[in-house]
Amino acid sequence: EADIYQTPRYLVIGTGKKITLECSQTMGHDKMYWYQQDPGMELHLIHYSYGVNSTEKGDLSSESTVSRIRTEHFPLTLESARPSHTSQYLCASSEGLAADTQYFGPGTRLTVL
Amino acid sequence: DAKTTQPNSMESNEEEPVHLPCNHSTISGTDYIHWYRQLPSQGPEYVIHGLTSNVNNRMASLAIAEDRKSSTLILHRATLRDAAVYYCILRDVGGNKLVFGAGTILRVKS
Repeated sequence: EADIYQTPRYLVIGTGKKITLECSQTMGHDKMYWYQQDPGMELHLIHYSYGVNSTEKGDLSSESTVSRIRTEHFPLTLESARPSHTSQYLCASSEGLAADTQYFGPGTRLTVL
Repeated sequence: DAKTTQPNSMESNEEEPVHLPCNHSTISGTDYIHWYRQLPSQGPEYVIHGLTSNVNNRMASLAIAEDRKSSTLILHRATLRDAAVYYCILRDVGGNKLVFGAGTILRVKS
C-alpha cells in the first residue's frame, strides 16, 4: 500500500484567500506530481518535481505554485483562490525507475465560493 | 506521448471475466504500457504494466499483442469493487509523466 498523504481531504473557502494543499510521502521517492481533475473529467498534470529544489510546470496551465524543499513534501499554494480553482487536486509520487509506477494520494477536493 | 484509444464504457456481470481493450498503434519500442484505475471519489491506483511480454499480478493480467499495437487488461473475476474508470497509458522509459485520457468506465452488475 502506498504511503502518500494529502491534507485537507475537503476544503471550502472564500474567494481571495490564500491556501496551501499539503502532500507528503514516506517512500523516499524523488519524483512527485500534482494533477487537477474536474468531476467526471480527465486528470491533467499541473506541476511535477524531479527532486529537492526542482519544480516544473505540467501540461495544464495553473495559477498555483509548488515548492520542493524536502524530498517527502510537495505543497501546492494558491495565493488568491477563485471559484475557477474549484476542482480535485491529486498528488502522486514515483521512484524514478524504468517503469516508474506512480502512487497517488486520496486527493483534496477544493471548493471556492 | 503516443496516444491510446479505449472504449468509453463497458459492462460486466459479477464473477465473470472482463477484457478491457486498448489500441496504441503509434507505440514506440521504448514505450511501457501502463494500466491504472480510479474508483469513485479516489485517486488513481496502479494496476499493471508491461513492455513486450504478457504480465500477471494479483490484480489482473495484461495481454500484449505481438506487434504491440494493442493490449488487453483482463480481470479474471469481476467484483462490484472493480467498478471504476480504467486508463491505458503509454509511457516512454525515459519519460517523466503519465498522460491520462478519458479511460473506460467499467460497470459491474450483480
